[in-house]
Amino acid sequence: QSALTQPPSASGSPGQSVTISCTGTSSDVGGYNYVSWYQQHPGKAPKVMIYEVSKRPSGIPDRFSGSKSGNTASLTVSGLQAEDEADYYCSSYAGSSNFVFGGGTKLTVL
Amino acid sequence: EAQLVQSGAEVKKPGESLRISCEGSGYNFNNYWINWVRQMPGKGLEWMGRIDPSNSYTNYNPSFQGHVTISTDKSISTAYLQWSSLKASDTAMYFCARLTSGFQAFDYWGQGTLVTVSS
Repeated sequence: QSALTQPPSASGSPGQSVTISCTGTSSDVGGYNYVSWYQQHPGKAPKVMIYEVSKRPSGIPDRFSGSKSGNTASLTVSGLQAEDEADYYCSSYAGSSNFVFGGGTKLTVL
Repeated sequence: EAQLVQSGAEVKKPGESLRISCEGSGYNFNNYWINWVRQMPGKGLEWMGRIDPSNSYTNYNPSFQGHVTISTDKSISTAYLQWSSLKASDTAMYFCARLTSGFQAFDYWGQGTLVTVSS
C-alpha cells in the first residue's frame, strides 16, 4: 500500500486560510469516508483534528474543517494562529483492516 | 479518560531482540484495536499494523510483515511490538494508538518510544 500524497509544505499569515490536500486512490480515500487528519507538534504525539472526512472531535476549534472529493481529501485551517504551526498528516482506511497515512505537510505560519 | 503509556527509550545493537509495550487505562482495553505507527527520524507516520485485544487477531502493513510481531496481554491491558533481530534501519520513534470502533480515527496515542539501533 502506497502512502497518500500530501504537499510537503504549506504556509499562510495569521488570520488567513490554508488548505492541505491528501490524494489517494479508489482503494482508500475514494472508497471510504474514513479519512482523518492529525496535527503533530515537534517532539509530541499526533492529535486527531478531523475524523470521518469532516467531523471534529470535542475540543477542536471550528477553524479546522475537512472535505473530500473523489480520491482527494482536504483540510482547511481558517483564521490561522501561531499555534497552528505543525506537521499535518492525513490517514485513510484502506480496506481489509488496513490503514495508510499521508507523507505529511509542514504548515508554517508566517 | 483513556490513556496509553508506552515503555521507555531503548538503545540496542543490530541483531538484538526487543519488545516495547503500550499500557491502556481508563477504558475497556478489549473493546478497541491497538495500532503501532513508526516515525523514522525527520520523516512521516507509517502504519505498521494492529491487534484486536479481545481475540489477539492481527494484521500488518506488508512492509512490516515478518519483521515485527504485535501481541497483547489483555490481563494487564498491554500491547506489545517486538523484533527478533533489529537492524539499524529500525531506528525510529514508535507510537501506539487506539482506533475508535468503526475505523473513524486514532483517537488516543501513546507518548512514543524511541528505539535506537547502533553498533
